This record gives sequence, C-alpha cells and structure tokens, in this order.
Amino acid sequence: EVQLVETGGGLVQPGGSLRLSCVGSGFTFSTFAMSWVRQAPGKGLEWVSTINYSGADTPYADAVKGRFTISRDNSKNTLFLQMDSLRADDTAVYYCAKTMFPRDSRTSPDFWGQGTLVTVSS
Amino acid sequence: EIVLTQSPGTLSLSPGERATLSCRASQSVSSRYLAWYQQKPGQAPRLLIYGASSRATGIPDRFSGSGSGTDFALTISRLEPEDFAVYYCHQSDTSPKTFGQGTKLEVK
Repeated sequence: EVQLVETGGGLVQPGGSLRLSCVGSGFTFSTFAMSWVRQAPGKGLEWVSTINYSGADTPYADAVKGRFTISRDNSKNTLFLQMDSLRADDTAVYYCAKTMFPRDSRTSPDFWGQGTLVTVSS
Repeated sequence: EIVLTQSPGTLSLSPGERATLSCRASQSVSSRYLAWYQQKPGQAPRLLIYGASSRATGIPDRFSGSGSGTDFALTISRLEPEDFAVYYCHQSDTSPKTFGQGTKLEVK
C-alpha cells in the first residue's frame, strides 16, 4: 500500500524558515517524480514544485521561486521542501504527491499525503 | 502559463442526476497530462481520471472523462450522495503545472 507522510509544518514568523519532509513507502521511491502542492485555507490547489526521480530537474511556481528548494534523498525514501523568507500568503496545507508513472515527471500525481499545515504569522 | 478555467463554479444537483463539469485550457494540453481530482472537506485530493479519459484504480464507472486540446469534461452519470465534493482539473504537461479553480458539486 502506497503511503506518504508529511511532517515539519507549524507556526513560523514572517521571514522565517521551515523544512518539510515527506516519507514514502509501498512503492519504489527512487523511480518516481514527486511534487509539493499547497492549499491555502478555503482556497483551491496550487502546484509548488516537482522533482524528477534523480533530483536533477526541479521546476518551481513563480510564487516560490528563489525562496523554496525541493530536494530528495532516495536512500531514505524522503522528499523535502526547504522554505525560506516565508510570507503570510505561504500559509497553507502542504501536500506531497507521487506521480503516476515512473521516470516521467509530467504524469499526474496519483497518491497524496494527508498534508501538513504551515502557518506564517507574527 | 496554462490557465485552466472550470465551469460552473458551483453545480447544484440531486442524487441520481447527471453532472457535467467543464475544464477549458488557455492553450492546448496533451491529453496524456490532463487529470481530474475529487476533494472532500478535510481530505487530500483523490485522483479520479488521468490521461483525460482513463479511470484511476477503484474509481466507479459512473465517472468518465473526455476531451482533447483545450476542452475537457468530467461526467458523473448518476450522482451518489458521496459524490458531492469539489472537483479540480490539473495539467502537468508544461511547467508551471496548474490546477483549475475548482467546481463545487452541492446537493440541490
């Protein structure tokens, strides 16, 4: 059974940093691209970033480019999102998601974690 | 950036009725990379349709997807009580990947 478990969310002041983690199990983590998608309270889904299976390709949404860094440790089946210079409008539930087909970063996410809440407030 | 526009914003129907949700892209999207998700309050999104028309594992056959190019649709043939939720289309063809703003399917 595929499982994705996110951790690392919490309350942080504007300008602060936070690192999210997502541990995957039940699939061969190292062969799938992974994504972060966020959802602000009461709002829709917003793609944040995707990392290909090897970690070599990492596109970002314009809203987070230069402030967030996606990475992965395939030896630990773990996906990361380093978030710096956080702003109030980064407040959201952050989901990690696995792409559907191996070695294709463009395929749709098929499994999602339950999300971790990040609140940016003073 | 490919903008996905979903319509209607809210759809009010009764159980047993047919629902048709639309997703229009600002430029052509490869059908292979167009998906539909269902989200209920407090839950993560669930994949319903991938490749524009293929049902994900475990999805009932009352859900179907269609379309190509810039116009896509999700149809629910006969609404069940558990189908009332928010639905999103998503393109992962080109970065930035984008979602539609969602259609809320509510009980009439």
